[in-house]
Amino acid sequence: LAKTTQPISMDSYEGQEVNITCSHNNIATNDYITWYQQFPSQGPRFIIQGYKTKVTNEVASLFIPADRKSSTLSLPRVSLSDTAVYYCLALLDNYGQNFVFGPGTRLSVLP
Amino acid sequence: DAGVIQSPRHEVTEMGQEVTLRCKPISGHDYLFWYRQTMMRGLELLIYFNNNVPIDDSGMPEDRFSAKMPNASFSTLKIQPSEPRDSAVYFCASSSYGQSAGHEQYFGPGTRLTVT
Repeated sequence: LAKTTQPISMDSYEGQEVNITCSHNNIATNDYITWYQQFPSQGPRFIIQGYKTKVTNEVASLFIPADRKSSTLSLPRVSLSDTAVYYCLALLDNYGQNFVFGPGTRLSVLP
Repeated sequence: DAGVIQSPRHEVTEMGQEVTLRCKPISGHDYLFWYRQTMMRGLELLIYFNNNVPIDDSGMPEDRFSAKMPNASFSTLKIQPSEPRDSAVYFCASSSYGQSAGHEQYFGPGTRLTVT
């Protein structure tokens, strides 16, 4: 199971782009990088997933360099409602392992 | 779809009592997960089912915890007897392998359990 490391907290201002980097030095060949978002008093919500290079959806972009030892979640023009905890996971393409959510990154968006 | 439904949303009980948490997954999903979240330990996977069969229960903390999934639309997590250290928010989630290789889990609103 690949261990992930990400900053405990980050602050940003409305309208700015936020980049949260996750390290996963021992990522396995078949691991996918997956990001979840959790608001207070709610369950986590899937944001984006990728294997290599770049993935973009209506919410975020995920950048994965060639060595796949890290990844960066990019949130464009954040708003106050993006204040949440963001979790990075490295997961196999099957259910042969636990979903392990680390402490995540607590993002605070300020006005 | 109404999403994953959990009940009750809040439960307060006394130490030693039996507690049963309930979950209705999203229709058509073939995986169901039970998680526990505390400030100290974060979000922990307790057990997951595939097609109603328990696949991995290595996260269940001890024998006081048990989970069942009698059919595709219902699952329970039972704690008997409950202890104060079981106080946490318990989440149920479901997914379908066809969606993002199963990594896109849909979480319910959670049950906040307080054991006094």
